[in-house]
Amino acid sequence: AQSVTQLDSHVSVSEGTPVLLRCNYSSSYSPSLFWYVQHPNKGLQLLLKYTSAATLVKGINGFEAEFKKSETSFHLTKPSAHMSDAAEYFCVVSSLSNTGNQFYFGTGTSLTVIP
Amino acid sequence: NAGVTQTPKFQVLKTGQSMTLQCAQDMNHEYMSWYRQDPGMGLRLIHYSVGAGITDQGEVPNGYNVSRSTTEDFPLRLLSAAPSQTSVYFCASSPLGRNYGYTFGSGTRLTVV
Repeated sequence: AQSVTQLDSHVSVSEGTPVLLRCNYSSSYSPSLFWYVQHPNKGLQLLLKYTSAATLVKGINGFEAEFKKSETSFHLTKPSAHMSDAAEYFCVVSSLSNTGNQFYFGTGTSLTVIP
Repeated sequence: NAGVTQTPKFQVLKTGQSMTLQCAQDMNHEYMSWYRQDPGMGLRLIHYSVGAGITDQGEVPNGYNVSRSTTEDFPLRLLSAAPSQTSVYFCASSPLGRNYGYTFGSGTRLTVV
């Protein structure tokens, strides 16, 4: 069975400081993992994805995530937070079943950036 | 390159009314789905489709119907609106295969009074 746990529902950082959003997953086999961002009153946008190639994945807007199989984690990081990073972030695991794609969403982490 | 287009963006319904939320994608994606997003509950899958003529239920299908007559369109029908269906609804599509992520529409904010 597949599932995703986002360990923090809210994270606050000061502008210019590092961002860490934590995600643990459970998967019966090698997963595909994604991070999405949702700005207020907007749809979800793909930040980055891991699909069994390089374990360190770079995404848009300076974000990156590292796949650690031994820890079943896929944490999202950014070296220096910007005000525009304030948003909701979702970690997602994907599997392929006999009925097609299945996506499992975490419950989200709200990132606040303090000026 | 429109991606996934949802209409309307906002809607207010009275209890018992019916309506259809429209979703269209121009990327030739086989897989399409509908989610609802509620505070503190993340995104919950309502219905999904792996191709024209094929639909299946997700986590919270009650009170909703879908059909998939073409690859491009995947409308969501509310049969008899209830206040519990007040939510933000997102349509998403992707190619088949677990390495592909979703492309989301911009959402429909529905209020049932």
